[in-house]
Amino acid sequence: ILNVEQSPQSLHVQEGDSTNFTCSFPSSNFYALHWYRWETAKSPEALFVMTLNGDEKKKGQISATLNTKEGYSYLYIKGSQPEDSATYLCAFYNNAGNMLTFGGGTRLMVKP
Amino acid sequence: SQTIHQWPATLVQPVGSPLSLECTVEGTSNPNLYWYRQAAGRGLQLLFYSVGIGQISSEVPQNLSASRPQDRQFILSSKKLLLSDSGFYLCAWSPVKGGGKLFFGSGTQLSVL
Repeated sequence: ILNVEQSPQSLHVQEGDSTNFTCSFPSSNFYALHWYRWETAKSPEALFVMTLNGDEKKKGQISATLNTKEGYSYLYIKGSQPEDSATYLCAFYNNAGNMLTFGGGTRLMVKP
Repeated sequence: SQTIHQWPATLVQPVGSPLSLECTVEGTSNPNLYWYRQAAGRGLQLLFYSVGIGQISSEVPQNLSASRPQDRQFILSSKKLLLSDSGFYLCAWSPVKGGGKLFFGSGTQLSVL
């Protein structure tokens, strides 16, 4: 069983605050690391697919970095807005199979 | 464009009753297909995945089974539901064998009473 950990479990911030979350995963047999955003009453949607050590991805005010050697990824949100409120999931793909292992998620709540 | 359909959206079933959740994908061929479950307060747990018709891999021992009778159809079943089967079930597909991002269905909220 692969261990994918996310921290914090939940986060309450004020509108305009910047924030970041952590995803840790096994550093061996790395294939890809995904970030998903899951809004209430909707399905999870992919934010980023990261495959190379040192990868940095950006989508609007959200960005992510990847360190495959030490087994962690950071997701940053600059200037959080209430519409950024969601659960952010990371998922690890190892090269031994065809499955994604998800972390427990970070639930972000942005107060206006 | 590709779409994924999952039904029903909600289901309330008594303990010991059977279960059948269906998922179909349109607009692509030979997708990888997945069933995930989110138990209350926890992340997404992979239940089954399939890389082709009749090919099912199970990740956790459980009271559930999965079948893929057609290329773009994935079914989650149980002969007798347990209370612990309650949860939110998500079907997903990915277009690439290994590494591709997942596209999720709208989910089924199952309550076993």
